[in-house]
Amino acid sequence: QQQVKQSPQSLIVQKGGISIINCAYENTAFDYFPWYQQFPGKGPALLIAIRPDVSEKKEGRFTISFNKSAKQFSLHIMDSQPGDSATYFCAARGNQGGKLIFGQGTELSVKP
Amino acid sequence: KAGVTQTPRYLIKTRGQQVTLSCSPISGHRSVSWYQQTPGQGLQFLFEYFSETQRNKGNFPGRFSGRQFSNSRSEMNVSTLELGDSALYLCASSPGSPGNTEAFFGQGTRLTVV
Repeated sequence: QQQVKQSPQSLIVQKGGISIINCAYENTAFDYFPWYQQFPGKGPALLIAIRPDVSEKKEGRFTISFNKSAKQFSLHIMDSQPGDSATYFCAARGNQGGKLIFGQGTELSVKP
Repeated sequence: KAGVTQTPRYLIKTRGQQVTLSCSPISGHRSVSWYQQTPGQGLQFLFEYFSETQRNKGNFPGRFSGRQFSNSRSEMNVSTLELGDSALYLCASSPGSPGNTEAFFGQGTRLTVV
């Protein structure tokens, strides 16, 4: 019940295309859903986050879509660029302070 | 504003030894969480400290411990190191107040146990 399942494991997208990464959760007590971007040798960097009372949040080329009834949320990267090539993690936080449960990660490669 | 600082960046230890990792959070942040990242298990939560008290704990053996000081800096200790403890250890800093839950990560400490 504490798991967050992320797919796909890896993704190859052409420059200018849309990258879509999906996550699903089971615990309805989760109330905060962030996405992180991680480059090799670096720590994860907070990209964008959403709360379950909102169905969509957009920041620049990054959009989170949230479906509370299906217990799913996704990250869309519009106009994908080679510089977006990184590993992306979804996460969820419950009502237990700062503990984040992470998905397994998606390795995104954007081809020029 | 300075980010989250973790020291050292790299560490090589021998099985059976112990190790202490350090994390300085963003100024004003009172919550510090620790995570272990490995290729096989991904990012796993170790524990969280808030105002010098452990607020949450993950499913790791008692060899993993931590503490937080009055200036919010935190240390993590691993005793009797095993080969499987080789990982990237990440510290996340958060304001810790209700409704303000954004967590910012440091660069991590890469621990290799030989």
